[in-house]
Amino acid sequence: NAGVMQNPRHLVRRRGQEARLRCSPMKGHSHVYWYRQLPEEGLKFMVYLQKENIIDESGMPKERFSAEFPKEGPSILRIQQVVRGDSAAYFCASSPSQEAYEQYFGPGTRLTVT
Amino acid sequence: EDKVVQSPLSLVVHEGDTVTLNCSYEVTNFRSLLWYKQEKKAPTFLFMLTSSGIEKKSGRLSSILDKKELFSILNITATQTGDSAVYLCAVENFGNEKLTFGTGTRL
Repeated sequence: NAGVMQNPRHLVRRRGQEARLRCSPMKGHSHVYWYRQLPEEGLKFMVYLQKENIIDESGMPKERFSAEFPKEGPSILRIQQVVRGDSAAYFCASSPSQEAYEQYFGPGTRLTVT
Repeated sequence: EDKVVQSPLSLVVHEGDTVTLNCSYEVTNFRSLLWYKQEKKAPTFLFMLTSSGIEKKSGRLSSILDKKELFSILNITATQTGDSAVYLCAVENFGNEKLTFGTGTRL
């Protein structure tokens, strides 16, 4: 059973470009979470999604950031018009259901904005 | 706002030592506390604690929760070089799926 998959593992974007980060949850998992880790800081929650629904986006910046988890395909975190402050590691986690508490993390995407 | 504080921030020990990592929390409607180990990449799940006083154990690692005093400890006995990592503590509330993380302890 493959774990949580994220791609790309590393992404370099120039200021003003768009960044798209993908996350495929573990097989059988229907809950996806995105977290951001800035250098030397802890993981910060961004958004929680189930298939075709955003459940909690309280950690998402109000502008430029969006997330989706379509019926088919991976979850996508989109950052428009990236700025240097967006440089961070973005981790995706998944869990099977609301009753199963453990979240399993993917390897992360390291975004560098130049 | 939910808060998780870990101490110490970093720790250097010799192989064979025993270490204790601390995690204290303030949350509105506690459901569970989780420990993760983060090396260069993905945090890997170690323990989930929901009840006070019940020790969870896995090999040389163990953890316990005190819901009255709002803290947890993670113990590692007979440390090895492979234990070098950042250890993350996170808490979860009822009715709220997100994890609130501490900044971690670098061992």
